Amino acid sequence: DIQMTQSPSTLSASVGDRVTITCRASQRISSWLAWYQQKPGKAPKLLIYKASSLESGVPSRFSGSQSGTEFTLTISSLQPDDFGTYYCQQYNSYWTFGQGTKVEIK
Amino acid sequence: EVHLLESGGGLVQPGGSLRLSCAASGFTFSNYAMSWVRQAPGKGLEWVSAVNGDSGGGSIYYADSVKGRFTISRDNSKNTLFLQMNSLRAEDTAIFYCAKSMTGGGAGYFDSWGQGILVTVSS
Repeated sequence: DIQMTQSPSTLSASVGDRVTITCRASQRISSWLAWYQQKPGKAPKLLIYKASSLESGVPSRFSGSQSGTEFTLTISSLQPDDFGTYYCQQYNSYWTFGQGTKVEIK
Repeated sequence: EVHLLESGGGLVQPGGSLRLSCAASGFTFSNYAMSWVRQAPGKGLEWVSAVNGDSGGGSIYYADSVKGRFTISRDNSKNTLFLQMNSLRAEDTAIFYCAKSMTGGGAGYFDSWGQGILVTVSS
């Protein structure tokens, strides 16, 4: 089974900060990785697919990148609406989610 | 616009059964793979089961944690996804989401999600 290790588990940042969340796969998954945002009491929302493709309607301050089996979600300038928990997901072989990163606004 | 609406959740005793439904609209249901994903209270997301669309031959997949206890199915004539859950355990307590894949078969990311339905397993 493919394991996804996400870090950090929580982060607190100020509006305007650049924020980076990392996800590492236990084996090669090509670029079959997605990022989701989940707000309290709501369903997850797709942000990024295929490691770096931005889903339609998602603000351009969100971006994804890849280096081997390490994947990064970057928010270039954190906005108040960006609070929530972010999950990575591999879909190379079945589906596995990372443990989540809770983003709090200072 | 894609719309997914889960129903059938509730309180059930350990060892009991429950059947979840997910009514889909806004897309050609038979063309797409569908999944169930759950989230235990205060925990992360866990994929549970998937069924391919017609182009994927309707193949079915389960997480090890539910294999042999849960059964996924779909009725393309009624645009509805199901999850029959038997031999329920306390650790199955979770919000269950149905999710639409971006592809008809094989692994794909989930581009639409339902609002979720709570399943509580407790005596």
